[in-house]
Amino acid sequence: KAGVTQTPRYLIKTRGQQVTLSCSPISGHRSVSWYQQTPGQGLQFLFEYFSETQRNKGNFPGRFSGRQFSNSRSEMNVSTLELGDSALYLCASSLEGRTDTEAFFGQGTRLTVV
Amino acid sequence: LAKTTQPISMDSYEGQEVNITCSHNNIATNDYITWYQQFPSQGPRFIIQGYKTKVTNEVASLFIPADRKSSTLSLPRVSLSDTAVYYCLVGPAYSGAGSYQLTFGKGTKLSVIP
Repeated sequence: KAGVTQTPRYLIKTRGQQVTLSCSPISGHRSVSWYQQTPGQGLQFLFEYFSETQRNKGNFPGRFSGRQFSNSRSEMNVSTLELGDSALYLCASSLEGRTDTEAFFGQGTRLTVV
Repeated sequence: LAKTTQPISMDSYEGQEVNITCSHNNIATNDYITWYQQFPSQGPRFIIQGYKTKVTNEVASLFIPADRKSSTLSLPRVSLSDTAVYYCLVGPAYSGAGSYQLTFGKGTKLSVIP
């Protein structure tokens, strides 16, 4: 079956702009989580959506937001971009959002803010 | 969430067995232990998960002592393609109202030498 698809793969934006990233989970998976990965901070949890509801949010400013659609596809949005937002953004899908089951990650979107 | 401690890096020659130990002294009764592998510029990939004793799959084994305060990921006969960062994660299966997230530490960078 198809894996987790993230688009676009690469993105270059200017400070102050906003950006929207997309994640299509594995068919049938209802939980989608987003993570930010930087060399300095490592992999950090952004938020998780389950059946169109945000269930959990990490310690990120309100400029980071997301949503999930009825088909489980998810988008995350970052407004007023800062240089420090440059990172690899990863999404993960899982069947029910349980830690005792496998999470499947996409290849990520590499965002560069200049 | 239980804190995990892993070696920052390890080197191994091709063909050797590699054991990466993770310490999680504050593991809770309902916590699972999960290992992920990550190659550069890719999303993490699930390797193995366990609760107690030993778990084995086609790529690795996971050894968990009775007190569950540590765990060891064992990779048999590593090859150059096993060069990656390995993350040990500890967390509950599900927290009811929704606090599902994967908490990644710094991981162990494994370098396989020819």
